[in-house]
Amino acid sequence: AIQLTQSPSSLSASVGDRVTFTCRASQDISSALAWYQQKPGKAPNLLIYDASILEDGVPSRFSGSGRGTDFALTITSLQPEDFATYYCQQFHTYLYSFGQGTKLEIK
Amino acid sequence: QVQLRQWGAGLLKPSETLSLTCAVYGGSFSGYYWTWIRQPPGKGLEWIGDINYSGSTNYNPSLKSRLTMSIDTSNDHFSLTLASVTAADTAVYYCARSLRYGSSGYYRHWGQGALVTV
Repeated sequence: AIQLTQSPSSLSASVGDRVTFTCRASQDISSALAWYQQKPGKAPNLLIYDASILEDGVPSRFSGSGRGTDFALTITSLQPEDFATYYCQQFHTYLYSFGQGTKLEIK
Repeated sequence: QVQLRQWGAGLLKPSETLSLTCAVYGGSFSGYYWTWIRQPPGKGLEWIGDINYSGSTNYNPSLKSRLTMSIDTSNDHFSLTLASVTAADTAVYYCARSLRYGSSGYYRHWGQGALVTV
């Protein structure tokens, strides 16, 4: 099974900051990667698919990059509603594994 | 507007069988992949498996021996059963639909989640 490793596990930042999370795959997954945002008590919300395509309705301050084994999610100018947990998920090979998550907290 | 609504028993004893159903409202039922994902309290997401319109399934190998997914195309719903549950199966269970027609990847539409406690 393909392992996804997210870093950091948690991050403290302030409103207005720019932050970047990374997701590393244990083998080449081309661009078959999604990023989700999850808030407590809610289902995950799709942000990015195919590694870099912004989902409809997602603010343009979110962007995804990468291909192969190394991927990144960047949020420019953090807003209060962005503090949440972020997960990556690969769709290259069954089973469709998730990373362990990065929790973004307010500094 | 696609909506997924899920239901099932929320409290089980060890060795019992977990059963959940997810109904789909709006949009097309055929042509998509229908997925189950779970999340233990305070932990990350685990992909359980998916089923397509034809009934073809893909399961997480760690659950495969206890897992059955089925689909009811007449009523636009799909189901999950997990046999011989233990405390390790305590989680919020989500159903979800694939993003693209004919493809299994990416989940735009999710159910509301159902907490199952063993």
